[in-house]
This record gives sequence, structure tokens and C-alpha cells, in this order.
Amino acid sequence: KQEVTQIPAALSVPEGENLVLNCSFTDSAIYNLQWFRQDPGKGLTSLLLIQSSQREQTSGRLNASLDKSSGRSTLYIAASQPGDSATYLCAVQNTGFQKLVFGTGTRLLVSP
Amino acid sequence: DTGVSQDPRHKITKRGQNVTFRCDPISEHNRLYWYRQTLGQGPEFLTYFQNEAQLEKSRLLSDRFSAERPKGSFSTLEIQRTEQGDSAMYLCASSPHQPSNYGYTFGSGTRLTVV
Repeated sequence: KQEVTQIPAALSVPEGENLVLNCSFTDSAIYNLQWFRQDPGKGLTSLLLIQSSQREQTSGRLNASLDKSSGRSTLYIAASQPGDSATYLCAVQNTGFQKLVFGTGTRLLVSP
Repeated sequence: DTGVSQDPRHKITKRGQNVTFRCDPISEHNRLYWYRQTLGQGPEFLTYFQNEAQLEKSRLLSDRFSAERPKGSFSTLEIQRTEQGDSAMYLCASSPHQPSNYGYTFGSGTRLTVV
């Protein structure tokens, strides 16, 4: 059974810092891994999707890496801004399955 | 296309009442998913459709829950005889059949409060 863990559960940083969010999963037979952002009381916004054959994806100040063999992914946020404050969720889709398995998220607060 | 739409955004109901939620996916996406999210947790899978066929249901989906996608377009999720433990955010998502660089697209969710 796939289990996804995100560390840390919460993170508070001053504006301008670079930061790393971690995601680990127990079953390496994944099809892809997706990072989402969720603002309080809102739905999920897709940030980056990494296929199992890829090592990383980049979008603007965001960079996500994937090490399938070790069961880890990181989301790197450069030059953080107060608008980045949200919960960041990692989700994996196992090969042969359609559903996503989510971690419990990292709650990020970036203060001005 | 404006993305995945969910209606209503919020629903407050008394325990024992039935509620129904609607989801309109992205038009060219033939796969549709329902998830439930409780406070402080990640979303949990409930069920998924490919076109009108319901292909997988989670054990979380008790007999009081039913989902339909009658014409392979919009979907409804009904909860009968609601309980306080049903209070959660219900999220709908859609995805295309072929692999893509975009994965899932989620809606804004329906927040259910059972009092």
C-alpha cells in the first residue's frame, strides 16, 4: 500500500529565503508525482507534474526533483514571497492505477 | 473552458438529510474523480469514472454514498442520511485519457458541514 509522507508539516520563513519541501513515498512503482498548492478553504492548484522517467521539472521559481529509486521528491522554491503562503501537497499515482495518493501537506508561511 | 466546476461551494445540512453535489469536468477530459478532504489531512480517493463507467470505488465510499456520471459529462455525488463524520471538503478532479504533462485538474471543492 502506497504511503506518502511530507516533512516538515509546517514551515515559517522570512521573505526572500530559498526553501525546500520534502516528500517521500514507500512504493517506487509510480507512474508520476504531482505537486499541488492549496490555499485555505480552497481547491487544489497543480504546480508541477513529474513523470516517472523524468528527474525534475521547473516552472518559474519552482523546481521539483524526483528520485524514484529512493522514494523521494523535493520542491524547491526560490526567493520566497508572502504570496507563496499556502499548503503544499505531494501526490503520487502508482503504475496501473488511476487514483492519487496524497501526503498530509506542508503548511508554508512566508512573512514580509 | 473554465476548468473543473463544482456546485455548491458550501452546504450546511442537518444530520439525517440527503445532499447532492455536482461536478462539471474539463470538457475534453474523459476521466473524473471524487476525493474527500478533512481538516489537516490530504485528500483521500473516493471513486473514479472513465466516461460514464464507474471503474473504482474506495472502501471509504459506504452504502450511503453514490456517484453517477450518466452521460460521461458532469457527475453527481449523493450522500444519504448524512452523519457528522461526513463533514469535509469534497473535491472533484478530471484528467485526459492519454498521459499528459498536466495530470489532474481539481475544482474548488464543496465544503459540507453536517450539524
